Amino acid sequence: EVQVLESGGGLVQPGGSLRLSCAASGFTFSSYAMTWVRQAPGKGLEWVSSIKSSGTNTYHADSVKGRFTISRDNSKNTLYLQMNGLTAEDTAVYYCAKVVSTTCYLCAMDVWGQGTTVTVSS
Amino acid sequence: QSALTQPASVSGSPGQSITISCTGTSSDVGGYIYVSWYQHHPGKAPKLMFYDVSDRPSGVSNRFSASKSGNTASLTISGLQAEDEADYYCTSYTSSDTLVFGGGTKLTVL
Repeated sequence: EVQVLESGGGLVQPGGSLRLSCAASGFTFSSYAMTWVRQAPGKGLEWVSSIKSSGTNTYHADSVKGRFTISRDNSKNTLYLQMNGLTAEDTAVYYCAKVVSTTCYLCAMDVWGQGTTVTVSS
Repeated sequence: QSALTQPASVSGSPGQSITISCTGTSSDVGGYIYVSWYQHHPGKAPKLMFYDVSDRPSGVSNRFSASKSGNTASLTISGLQAEDEADYYCTSYTSSDTLVFGGGTKLTVL
């Protein structure tokens, strides 16, 4: 079964750091770009970051640029999101998702995890 | 990175048809085929409904259809069913090499 499973969420103080992980299985992880999407309480879905299959190219939303870093370890079939300088506005459910095709990177996502919750509060 | 514009809510009775619009610019929706739609039931993982404007993944009911004209993409659901009640989001690739979501549309089946 093709699936992704997020972990690493939790409660963190403003200004703190957290690293999210996303374990992939059931597909050739190294062939697909991957994406993080978040949903703040009561808000819509927001694109956060994406990374190409090789890991050489990364893309970040302006809202997280300079604070968040997406990376991947293709030998471990795992995607990461390093989050630094967290603020209350980063409180959200964070979803990991696989893109639909090996030939695109900032495109549709066909496999999503259940999400991991990040709460930034003192 | 302004969000694509979707109506906040739409509603319809069972059996009816509804259309959700997603308006962007020539730098996103109007300029690329990478427009997709998602169905999201609260507390669950979003589900891909369409990619590349109108390609339907296997398993998605053919009661759903999607299209694009100029800077506006549209999702149509015919023969509304109670299970269709959910939030719907569009996304598009942008000329800035980013991805942008619509604000989301809450569909209520009356």
